[in-house]
Amino acid sequence: NAGVTQTPKFQVLKTGQSMTLQCAQDMNHNSMYWYRQDPGMGLRLIYYSASEGTTDKGEVPNGYNVSRLNKREFSLRLESAAPSQTSVYFCASSAGLTDTQYFGPGTRLTVL
Amino acid sequence: KNQVEQSPQSLIILEGKNCTLQCNYTVSPFSNLRWYKQDTGRGPVSLTIMTFSENTKSNGRYTATLDADTKQSSLHITASQLSDSASYICVSLDTGGFKTIFGAGTRLFVKA
Repeated sequence: NAGVTQTPKFQVLKTGQSMTLQCAQDMNHNSMYWYRQDPGMGLRLIYYSASEGTTDKGEVPNGYNVSRLNKREFSLRLESAAPSQTSVYFCASSAGLTDTQYFGPGTRLTVL
Repeated sequence: KNQVEQSPQSLIILEGKNCTLQCNYTVSPFSNLRWYKQDTGRGPVSLTIMTFSENTKSNGRYTATLDADTKQSSLHITASQLSDSASYICVSLDTGGFKTIFGAGTRLFVKA
């Protein structure tokens, strides 16, 4: 039982490059989330998926897209990376939107 | 504007001592309040979750309190251990779970 897994753990991109962050959960949770965490700030919600087949914008969605591939997997795509997207990205899942969220180990992304 | 403010920003205590971390929130309509522990380089892990009707919730040496009238919460750590060194994050959730607001966290250092 791995919980929430994220790949990759680290990534360095050049401005303008694209990449996809992968997230998978094995807890049969309905809801999944993508957050970013910047120094001195709380986690900020980028996108979330309340259930399979649905996705919605969070607080800071600009520059990102998501795909809920199936109940287990929720990916985050940066189409054209910018230095402002340098951050640590966390994926989380929960049984429902008001239930405890379980977080993955994070992806540390640097955009040069 | 929905906000979660935590104090202090950082705290240093000696092993074995107790400490209390504070959280003020303005999320409305309020659903529940959570405390998470985040070790360096890891994702947050849930400690407690309280609805507006609960005043206190314990998890081992961690005890959270909630005053829904003043919109304040505290996390009390008893007999601190070196492994308690981490960031502690207060999170407020609105009804329906669509607005999850994270505080910036309190960084706790426990010294031997």
